[in-house]
Amino acid sequence: DTAVSQTPKYLVTQMGNDKSIKCEQNLGHDTMYWYKQDSKKFLKIMFSYNNKELIINETVPNRFSPKSPDKAHLNLHINSLELGDSAVYFCASSQGGLDQPQHFGDGTRLSIL
Amino acid sequence: GEDVEQSLFLSVREGDSSVINCTYTDSSSTYLYWYKQEPGAGLQLLTYIFSNMDMKQDQRLTVLLNKKDKHLSLRIADTQTGDSAIYFCAESTLGSGSARQLTFGSGTQLTVLP
Repeated sequence: DTAVSQTPKYLVTQMGNDKSIKCEQNLGHDTMYWYKQDSKKFLKIMFSYNNKELIINETVPNRFSPKSPDKAHLNLHINSLELGDSAVYFCASSQGGLDQPQHFGDGTRLSIL
Repeated sequence: GEDVEQSLFLSVREGDSSVINCTYTDSSSTYLYWYKQEPGAGLQLLTYIFSNMDMKQDQRLTVLLNKKDKHLSLRIADTQTGDSAIYFCAESTLGSGSARQLTFGSGTQLTVLP
């Protein structure tokens, strides 16, 4: 069974649309993350939730809104998509402190037309 | 990321050893990590080392940590074609919200030649 699963794997949409990416982990971890990886493979943290509470909220446009209905799920909703949002978005989870080993999903490849 | 630096490319012959280097900036990092990313896939945790250790060995992987120089290396013995991937170094740093978080290097693309 996949430990951290994201859907969809690919997302192609037009500028201005609103879309959501879902993430679920079955590891029993209490902390979940969203990362953005750009075309140069640079990986940057966007958000982190611990037991459904927002812990990290880096400088991300407020068009991005994370939602954690329970500690096993962390979804990412993006409003008014822009060309610069094209990237691979990774969900991850860990147990304990934010510097503990993180387990990643396979990524969602978002392409904005 | 600007806090963690790695060289972008490394090529080795199959069967040789690979050494991927990384320098970091936060001397209070508790853990330092190596992740592997194959094409089209997510990041896979390879190994990690606690900051009070100098070395950690795990089968073909050896991690060396020099805290004085803030230098971390990953040695892969008997490199195979399946080891071709991007390798990311990561350190735990204090983020803007005073919570620790992982900061990743830019990744080293390892190419294993037959």
